[in-house]
Amino acid sequence: GAGVSQSPSNKVTEKGKDVELRCDPISGHTALYWYRQSLGQGLEFLIYFQGNSAPDKSGLPSDRFSAERTGGSVSTLTIQRTQQEDSAVYLCASSLVPLGLAGRTDTQYFGPGTRLTVL
Amino acid sequence: QKEVEQDPGPLSVPEGAIVSLNCTYSNSAFQYFMWYRQYSRKGPELLMYTYSSGNKEDGRFTAQVDKSSKYISLFIRDSQPSDSATYLCAMRRSTGFQKLVFGTGTRLLVSP
Repeated sequence: GAGVSQSPSNKVTEKGKDVELRCDPISGHTALYWYRQSLGQGLEFLIYFQGNSAPDKSGLPSDRFSAERTGGSVSTLTIQRTQQEDSAVYLCASSLVPLGLAGRTDTQYFGPGTRLTVL
Repeated sequence: QKEVEQDPGPLSVPEGAIVSLNCTYSNSAFQYFMWYRQYSRKGPELLMYTYSSGNKEDGRFTAQVDKSSKYISLFIRDSQPSDSATYLCAMRRSTGFQKLVFGTGTRLLVSP
């Protein structure tokens, strides 16, 4: 596709349920990033993939959060036993190569996000 | 204390005004500085990118970095209603993979 796509665009769930959020990066982009955007908190880095491996998952807030990437393309962020504080917009971004590893490569392309509401 | 501080606004200006958006930061290791624009219900898009101290101009936009003061700015000349959006500053350290650290964003409203 032309850009990064994410699904669903909106997700409402009940506390304690599991949710899966999907990201389709730009074709050919090797690096993929997940962020969380909460009101008044800015964008919070969650995890970074290079290919199918995750060299940096330092931003995942708890072991309820996990992510995987398959085929060097689609990524899924899973939140188990959701809590109300998980309510946020989850943004995915991709870049041709990882940030900083090849000169001026800070052009991350963001998807529109998934708005998660935990009741 | 957050590594990057940014006034959330909103900042309201009339069309044609010069807008100044700012961020301060605490980590002197940051070397790369960016400004992103985010329209409502959309993902952020990169506007400006600068390395170390100095100015960079692109059309109506000018980015300034003052590393000695740990202060970065984005100026928008001849502001337009279409500039109404949230502007996020972001920065990272130097080589090797380094995650971007974002400010909370400043909401800008340009009235016709």
